[in-house]
Amino acid sequence: EIVLTQSPATLSLSPGERATLSCRASQGVGSYLLWYQQKSGQAPRLLIWDAFNRATGVPARFSGTGSGTDFTLTISSLEPEDFAVYYCQQRSTWPLTFGGGTNVEIK
Amino acid sequence: QVQLQESGPGLVKPSETLSLTCTVSGASLNNYYWNWIRQPPGKGLEWIGYIYNGGSTHYNPSLESRVTISVDTSKNQFSLSLSSVTAADTAVYYCARSSGGWAFSFWGQGSLVSVSS
Repeated sequence: EIVLTQSPATLSLSPGERATLSCRASQGVGSYLLWYQQKSGQAPRLLIWDAFNRATGVPARFSGTGSGTDFTLTISSLEPEDFAVYYCQQRSTWPLTFGGGTNVEIK
Repeated sequence: QVQLQESGPGLVKPSETLSLTCTVSGASLNNYYWNWIRQPPGKGLEWIGYIYNGGSTHYNPSLESRVTISVDTSKNQFSLSLSSVTAADTAVYYCARSSGGWAFSFWGQGSLVSVSS
């Protein structure tokens, strides 16, 4: 199965700062990489599909880039509601797999 | 508005079978993929499997020998059965909808199932 490795595990930032999250795949997934946001006690929420497409209602400060094995989720200017855990997921190969998550916490 | 709601026992004994149901409102079960995903406390997400169009299923090989996903279209529900559970199966279990693009767009709120004697 494809292993997704997210880094860093924790990102400590202040509101207004830029967040850069990484997801690396153990083998190429093309552009079939998705990003989710999960707040404490809630289900994940789809943010980005197929590397760079924002899901419905997702603010423009969230952007995704990458292809193959290396992907990045960028939050251009952190809002208070953006502090959460972010997961990547690949849909290139069965079984579908998720990364271990990056916790974006308030510094 | 599509809504999903998990239901089932919160506590299961080791070696027994975990059973959960997801009730779907605002959408038909036809033409979408209905998934189960789990998350052990403090850990990441694991896709368990899906059911499609009332009968076609696909499971994660890591769980395939113990998992069954079924559907009851008359009640607009689908269910998860996981046999021979151990403490490692303790998790929040989510049901979720995806299309052929395999993005999980709609999720239930999750159901915590603990495995303990």
